[in-house]
Amino acid sequence: SQQGEEDPQALSIQEGENATMNCSYKTSINNLQWYRQNSGRGLVHLILIRSNEREKHSGRLRVTLDTSKKSSSLLITASRAADTASYFCATDAEYGNKLVFGAGTILRVKS
Amino acid sequence: DGGITQSPKYLFRKEGQNVTLSCEQNLNHDAMYWYRQDPGQGLRLIYYSQIVNDFQKGDIAEGYSVSREKKESFPLTVTSAQKNPTAFYLCASTSPTAAFSFGSGTRLTVV
Repeated sequence: SQQGEEDPQALSIQEGENATMNCSYKTSINNLQWYRQNSGRGLVHLILIRSNEREKHSGRLRVTLDTSKKSSSLLITASRAADTASYFCATDAEYGNKLVFGAGTILRVKS
Repeated sequence: DGGITQSPKYLFRKEGQNVTLSCEQNLNHDAMYWYRQDPGQGLRLIYYSQIVNDFQKGDIAEGYSVSREKKESFPLTVTSAQKNPTAFYLCASTSPTAAFSFGSGTRLTVV
């Protein structure tokens, strides 16, 4: 069963704008991870945020986690055409070591 | 370079035929996973293995089988019992101190 749900399902922005994607989940987690997938290819790990963390940065990426609301957001600042991809959140539950993925957000950055 | 190698990249299966997807990793990761991705959807867990000679069913194991005879290898067999096998299959691996690493995927099509 899918734990995470991303919102929006699709997002189209102009180069240079910021992109925000949201993820909600249902059960307690150990950590939450964000991945990028370029069309028809494998997933690339972007960032991991632990359940006791509230915010994390990596380059142009900023992830927040609100465990009380069971939600996370991924912000990509100053977007580039190369950021065009699908973005998935995945939760690693406290009781196991397997990732459960949401359906993803398709991001299109227009140049 | 360490990584995960999936082969083949494209695979065509006839009705009633079993096919095996290969996944090899040289990251010295203990755990390995198989996910299935359908168009516009997130990843669903098929099988996973935390250690050699042991594996567990995921959310959609019916019609699939795996083996874990070596730490580096986790092949997935799609059997004739899997009624709708056309999908994109991703293999992943991890260890307690590492994020998940994914292969580049195998696209399976029934002809």
